[in-house]
Amino acid sequence: QKEVEQNSGPLSVPEGAIASLNCTYSDRGSQSFFWYRQYSGKSPELIMFIYSNGDKEDGRFTAQLNKASQYVSLLIRDSQPSDSATYLCAVDSNTGNQFYFGTGTSLTVIP
Amino acid sequence: ETGVTQSPTHLIKTRGQQVTLRCSSQSGHNTVSWYQQALGQGPQFIFQYYREEENGRGNFPPRFSGLQFPNYSSELNVNALELDDSALYLCASSTLAPDTQYFGPGTRLTVL
Repeated sequence: QKEVEQNSGPLSVPEGAIASLNCTYSDRGSQSFFWYRQYSGKSPELIMFIYSNGDKEDGRFTAQLNKASQYVSLLIRDSQPSDSATYLCAVDSNTGNQFYFGTGTSLTVIP
Repeated sequence: ETGVTQSPTHLIKTRGQQVTLRCSSQSGHNTVSWYQQALGQGPQFIFQYYREEENGRGNFPPRFSGLQFPNYSSELNVNALELDDSALYLCASSTLAPDTQYFGPGTRLTVL
């Protein structure tokens, strides 16, 4: 079982819609959860982090964490074509000294 | 821009050669982590350095080695290159975990 699993997609949404990206993780000791965006040929760029159960909002982005279900999600409201990228979910190890990444979900926002 | 820099940007080597990749961490960060990202995959943790000591290692063979310097910059060395080592190598800096990691632009290594 992989430490972090994501649907690889591709996920396509029309411009202005809500994009929902999901991630599950296996290590119950994980405390920190991150979403990165990666454009083709570029390095990952931090979007949000979340440490506590519940929702955390930052502009058009909302991260949701449910530790009991070992589930993290990212909602992108009012999706824009510039949001088209691969979204990587990252979870820290229970020792806190490394991140486990999922394989990423490819998102395309159609104008 | 994260303030994390990596060099070189691209590199082409042949099997069996050795390579050194470099990373300068963001100001105020004392921890550097290295990742390998193969095409279509998520980054895979290689190792982390904190205050010049290795502070965790992923499932990579000993021919992957590293260093961290007093100014917190870091090197990744790979000996006896194999074709499967072709990947994007990412350096991320942070304060000591748990903390957000900020990535540099990466070094694209091609092994022929």
